[in-house]
Amino acid sequence: QVQLRESGPGLVKPSETLSLTCNVSGYSISTGSYWGWNRLSPGKGLEWIGGFYHGGTALYNPSLKARVTMSADTSKNHFSLKLKSVTAADTAVYFCARWIVFGSGSNWFDSWGPGTLVTVSS
Amino acid sequence: QSVLTQPPSASGTPGQRVTISCSASSSDIGRNTVTWYQQFPRTAPKLLIYSNKERPSGVPDRFSGSKSDTSASLTISGLQSEDEAVYYCSAWDDGLNGPVFGGGTQLTVL
Repeated sequence: QVQLRESGPGLVKPSETLSLTCNVSGYSISTGSYWGWNRLSPGKGLEWIGGFYHGGTALYNPSLKARVTMSADTSKNHFSLKLKSVTAADTAVYFCARWIVFGSGSNWFDSWGPGTLVTVSS
Repeated sequence: QSVLTQPPSASGTPGQRVTISCSASSSDIGRNTVTWYQQFPRTAPKLLIYSNKERPSGVPDRFSGSKSDTSASLTISGLQSEDEAVYYCSAWDDGLNGPVFGGGTQLTVL
């Protein structure tokens, strides 16, 4: 059974870079699945940040694309999110998840990490 | 970008049937499948329905999904107190090239 858990600083200063890691157990991230990040905030609700297929192209929400980078370390079976130039609007609970994607427009997140609150404040 | 509209709240009494709607501003729902998630306070969303009407293993069969043109529905039959949660719909947005989520519906069991 796949399990995910986010880790990283809970407080980030405005204009700095938010960095989170998602540790995955029970499933290899290099084995045929997409992996993604979502966030939940009172102002915007649930929002897709982006995702990737190991060895493939990453997909990013166009509204965040200029500030987002995702990467993976298969030796540690974890993947990471970096969001630069953060503002208070980036304050949210961030979730990593296994993302099932089919080319026909079907997609769902079938396993989620518990989430981690990141607050942007000086 | 497509917008998925859900009622902010819904309610019912134990044993009742409750339906939560999800309406798309574009034809994305018509072309693509709908997913539903259930979220309890201070926990991660949980996959409830995928591909419009399929239930993952472990989800009770009193949860059902349907889709028609640019709208979808989640129906809970035989409502139970433990169903009190926020429910989100989601669908692929061709313009976004990724998923979009509805605003969520807070379900209260009276």
